[in-house]
This record gives sequence, structure tokens and C-alpha cells, in this order.
Amino acid sequence: NAGVMQNPRHLVRRRGQEARLRCSPMKGHSHVYWYRQLPEEGLKFMVYLQKENIIDESGMPKERFSAEFPKEGPSILRIQQVVRGDSAAYFCASSPRLAGEPNNEQFFGPGTRLTVL
Amino acid sequence: KQEVTQIPAALSVPEGENLVLNCSFTDSAIYNLQWFRQDPGKGLTSLLLIQSSQREQTSGRLNASLDKSSGRSTLYIAASQPGDSATYLCAVRPVRTGNQFYFGTGTSLTVIP
Repeated sequence: NAGVMQNPRHLVRRRGQEARLRCSPMKGHSHVYWYRQLPEEGLKFMVYLQKENIIDESGMPKERFSAEFPKEGPSILRIQQVVRGDSAAYFCASSPRLAGEPNNEQFFGPGTRLTVL
Repeated sequence: KQEVTQIPAALSVPEGENLVLNCSFTDSAIYNLQWFRQDPGKGLTSLLLIQSSQREQTSGRLNASLDKSSGRSTLYIAASQPGDSATYLCAVRPVRTGNQFYFGTGTSLTVIP
């Protein structure tokens, strides 16, 4: 049973370009979370999605960032017109249960390390 | 807003020692708490999940306890090994914002052979 998969593992973009990060959850998991880890900081929640729905995007910057989790295919985190401050590790996690359930365990992917030149 | 603090920030011990990592959180109304390890440049590996109704969980040489009323959790590692060297992260999921984990900044552990 493959774990959470993310690609690419490393991504380099110039300022103003677009970054697309992909996350395939574990088999049987229909809940996906995105987190960002800035250098020397802890992980911060960005967005929680179920298939075809954004449930909670309270941690996502209002501009330039968007996320989707289509019926078929991976979840995508999209960053438009990247700036140097977007350089970070972006982690995806998945879970088989609703976020509000006490035994809801999240399983993390290896992350995508985005570098903006 | 939930704040999660981990002490110490870094710890270095000789191989074979037992050790305790600490995690404290400000809002005791949580669904659960999860301990992870993160190796340099890698993702997070889940170690233990403690539900709010539980007081401890064990897996091999690891034991995690939860005292919700005082907002504390400890991760106990018995007979440490060099392979345990990593950053250990504590994350809580508050009832108020149930969709997200709040992470501490971690304890960087080095086990010296």
C-alpha cells in the first residue's frame, strides 16, 4: 500500500512563474490537507479538501494560492506569480476519516521543496 | 488561538539513554494529539496518535502520554539508538478548528554512538 505521494520533490521557479504541486493520497483516503513549512518555522495548515470540495481554506493566502481535489486524479496546490517568500517545503497529508473524528490520523507525504529564484 | 511549544529545542544524548520530549499546548479542548518524526529533507512519519479520551499510547520503545487538563504531552523513548536521531514534532487538533493540526517547532534529537 503506497503512502502519500507528492511530486515533484523539488521545484525551482523564477519570480512571476506558476508553481503546481501534486499530491496523491493513500489508497482509500478521500481527505487531503496541505501544510507549508517555512525555513526555521513549524508547519502551518493551509487547506483541507475532500473530493471535489474545499472544506477549510482558512490557512491559505487570499491571493495567488488555490487548491483543488478533483473527482479523478491528484490534489493540486497552485501558486501563481511566485515570489521569493513562497520558497518553502509544502507537505500534503491524507486521512481516511472526517477531520472531526478523534481517531483521525494524518499521513504525510515527503513534501515538495519549492525554491523561487 | 492554539499555541504549541516543544522543549527542549535540541537534545543530545549518548546511545542507550532513556529520554523524554515535552509538548505543551494552550487550548486543552482537543480532538487528539499526534507525534511525528522528521528526518532532514524528508517528510513526516507518524509515530503515535493519542485521542482526547486516552492517557497514553505505546509503540515499541516509544510511549506517549497526554494530560489534557494541564495541556501537556510527553514522548518517552527508551534505550535510544543512533537511528532515533531526527526532529520530533508534536501536533494537536483543537475542537474549535477541527480541520487542522497545530504543530510545535520540534525537538531536534541527536543520539551519539
